[in-house]
Amino acid sequence: DAKTTQPNSMESNEEEPVHLPCNHSTISGTDYIHWYRQLPSQGPEYVIHGLTSNVNNRMASLAIAEDRKSSTLILHRATLRDAAVYYCILRQNTGNQFYFGTGTSLTVIP
Amino acid sequence: KAGVTQTPRYLIKTRGQQVTLSCSPISGHRSVSWYQQTPGQGLQFLFEYFSETQRNKGNFPGRFSGRQFSNSRSEMNVSTLELGDSALYLCASSPITGGQGRKDTQYFGPGTRLTVL
Repeated sequence: DAKTTQPNSMESNEEEPVHLPCNHSTISGTDYIHWYRQLPSQGPEYVIHGLTSNVNNRMASLAIAEDRKSSTLILHRATLRDAAVYYCILRQNTGNQFYFGTGTSLTVIP
Repeated sequence: KAGVTQTPRYLIKTRGQQVTLSCSPISGHRSVSWYQQTPGQGLQFLFEYFSETQRNKGNFPGRFSGRQFSNSRSEMNVSTLELGDSALYLCASSPITGGQGRKDTQYFGPGTRLTVL
């Protein structure tokens, strides 16, 4: 299982940008990088994914290092609703399963 | 489009019993995956079904089984329940499976909270 490493927890002030890091030094050339988040008492929800280039969507941006051994999820303006556990996942070529790490618990301070 | 639905949402069983959980994927999705979430082990992959066939299986004992019907709805069964089976069981659906799905997203249901006494 391709592994990812994330900080256990992070804090951010409301309306400030948040940079959530993820290390994935064993990534292979065909692995996609996915980010999901899990709000309290809910199932995980998709945030963003990418392969090599930086990606943007309405929820967040994903910055991928040139060597692809790390990536950063960027929330441009944190809101209280963004308080969740954020999971960085490598989606491999074999199978449809996700291997979740421990994730980063994000606290947003009003 | 309706999201992934799971029934029941909450369940209480006693040790030794068996339980069946149900998952209805998003309309048109053919892949259904199951995950177990516990405070100690986090989110762990159980198995995936596609077109009524189990395609992948995680590292769980044979007491955990599942099936998928022709309408893509899926059930998972746990026999001879143990205290350690208390967990949130999550179902996720996606349109396709396998190597073609590396960039595909999964859509998770709200989960079934199973408590084993």
